[in-house]
Amino acid sequence: NAGVTQTPKFRVLKTGQSMTLLCAQDMNHEYMYWYRQDPGMGLRLIHYSVGEGTTAKGEVPDGYNVSRLKKQNFLLGLESAAPSQTSVYFCASSPLWGEANQPQHFGDGTRLSIL
Amino acid sequence: KQEVTQIPAALSVPEGENLVLNCSFTDSAIYNLQWFRQDPGKGLTSLLLIQSSQREQTSGRLNASLDKSSGRSTLYIAASQPGDSATYLCAVRGLTGGGNKLTFGTGTQLKVEL
Repeated sequence: NAGVTQTPKFRVLKTGQSMTLLCAQDMNHEYMYWYRQDPGMGLRLIHYSVGEGTTAKGEVPDGYNVSRLKKQNFLLGLESAAPSQTSVYFCASSPLWGEANQPQHFGDGTRLSIL
Repeated sequence: KQEVTQIPAALSVPEGENLVLNCSFTDSAIYNLQWFRQDPGKGLTSLLLIQSSQREQTSGRLNASLDKSSGRSTLYIAASQPGDSATYLCAVRGLTGGGNKLTFGTGTQLKVEL
């Protein structure tokens, strides 16, 4: 049981390039989330999804797009990368049942540098 | 807007010491408060979740308390060990909005020395 898997683990991009980060979970969770973690700022929610085919904006959505075509996958896209998007990106998931009091399960992160 | 603060930002203690990590939040309208552990280069691991109706939760050497009215939580670690060295984050889930969204503090980096 792998839990939450993020690919890639590391990536270096040039300003203006595009890329997609992939998150996959094998726990049949309905909810999935993308966060970014920056020094001194904690984790901030970028986008989230409450089920297959749904997405919603979080606290810092600008410059990112997401898709949830399959329940187990949540994709985060950067259309035109900027140096301000250099960060560590975390994906998480949580179940629907008893959702108000269920912990989120996190992947190990993707370290992204934009030059 | 909910704000979560953790003090201290870093803490170094000798092995065997009991210690307390603090978390405060500005809006007491919460479903729950969670404590996570983050090891270097890794994701977050859930340690304890306290529902808004609860006062504390215990797991092994860890005890978390919640005083919702004052907007405070503490994580107590008994008999600390070098393996406890990590960053500890607290997060709150507010009453409004869907999707189990969390607001995180910036964490306390703990080092337990031999």
